[in-house]
Amino acid sequence: EAQVTQNPRYLITVTGKKLTVTCSQNMNHEYMSWYRQDPGLGLRQIYYSMNVEVTDKGDVPEGYKVSRKEKRNFPLILESPSPNQTSLYFCASRPAGGTEAFFGQGTRLTVV
Amino acid sequence: KNQVEQSPQSLIILEGKNCTLQCNYTVSPFSNLRWYKQDTGRGPVSLTIMTFSENTKSNGRYTATLDADTKQSSLHITASQLSDSASYICVVSTRMNTGFQKLVFGTGTRLLVSP
Repeated sequence: EAQVTQNPRYLITVTGKKLTVTCSQNMNHEYMSWYRQDPGLGLRQIYYSMNVEVTDKGDVPEGYKVSRKEKRNFPLILESPSPNQTSLYFCASRPAGGTEAFFGQGTRLTVV
Repeated sequence: KNQVEQSPQSLIILEGKNCTLQCNYTVSPFSNLRWYKQDTGRGPVSLTIMTFSENTKSNGRYTATLDADTKQSSLHITASQLSDSASYICVVSTRMNTGFQKLVFGTGTRLLVSP
């Protein structure tokens, strides 16, 4: 089944403790991105990657890192999480030139 | 500035009734427009895509319209069901100079269908 898989689905952590949210897609898509979704603000892009080893900042990149060592994986790294990063996070992928984004199930992160 | 605005922000309707959600955009150049449905706590899923030459497209009880002149789209839901309760997100694609398709997201309309 074609899908985007995120892990974990839920995570509660403490301020400053490094964490990684994984994202994997099995559709051979070139383009992957991370979004955060907050009430009233909609989906805001954090980082995106147009292909392996090619990443760039989105609209709200502060406090986040990403890597794209393999085509299928695009992990989101929070080196020192803070409470303002409490949010619902989505990974998405789509083929080069395509406009339909395929989203993961989401990761609800709480930083206390 | 490329923007997508949706209205209303939220809406409550009775089961079986119809409703219409609105999307206005200032994105240019325009490639296409998609409506996504997002169930609570899940990722958005594409419902329908509208290209420049299309005025109306249906997907079951969902009918999307596009007026490229006024840069407006609507999503009409007929005979609503409880399962229609979700957020509906309008997303407009624009082709950058590099050929890359950038997606511009609206903030969504939260629909609650009440029994």
